[in-house]
Amino acid sequence: NAGVTQTPKFQVLKTGQSMTLQCAQDMNHEYMSWYRQDPGMGLRLIHYSVGAGITDQGEVPNGYNVSRSTTEDFPLRLLSAAPSQTSVYFCASSPRDTHGYTFGSGTRLTVV
Amino acid sequence: GDSVTQMEGPVTLSEEAFLTINCTYTATGYPSLFWYVQYPGEGLQLLLKATKADDKGSNKGFEATYRKETTSFHLEKGSVQVSDSAVYFCALTAGNQFYFGTGTSLTVIP
Repeated sequence: NAGVTQTPKFQVLKTGQSMTLQCAQDMNHEYMSWYRQDPGMGLRLIHYSVGAGITDQGEVPNGYNVSRSTTEDFPLRLLSAAPSQTSVYFCASSPRDTHGYTFGSGTRLTVV
Repeated sequence: GDSVTQMEGPVTLSEEAFLTINCTYTATGYPSLFWYVQYPGEGLQLLLKATKADDKGSNKGFEATYRKETTSFHLEKGSVQVSDSAVYFCALTAGNQFYFGTGTSLTVIP
């Protein structure tokens, strides 16, 4: 049981480049979310999904897109990378809200 | 709106000391409450949870009680170890979203 798998683990981008952070879970969880973690700011919700075909914005959605075509996958797309998007990104999934999220190991992104 | 406030860190304790990390919450409904732990270079791991008032979550010697009257969910451990050094996050879920505190860094020295 792999849980939540994020790829890549590390990435360096140039300003203006685009890329997709991958997230996959094999637990048949309905809920999936993307967070960014910055020093002194805890985790901030970027986008979330309550099921395949359904996504919604979180606290800091600007500059990011998501889609949920299958239950398993929830990719996060950076449209035009900016230095302010330098952060550690975590994907998480849950069967329903009272169970608590299972987190991936994170993607450390640096935008230069 | 819904939110979580936890005590500022960092916290430094000697091994075998008693630990308390305070967490209070604001919620309009009946949230579930969680503590997560993050070890260096890793993702967050669920430490314990409580889904209704007066529930006590416990795991690995850590405990927290869901106190509706004081809107609190303080994390406690009677005797910390060096291996407990990590960042601890309080969180709540309301509806479809999770809300996290800013994290409290704990360092335990031998």
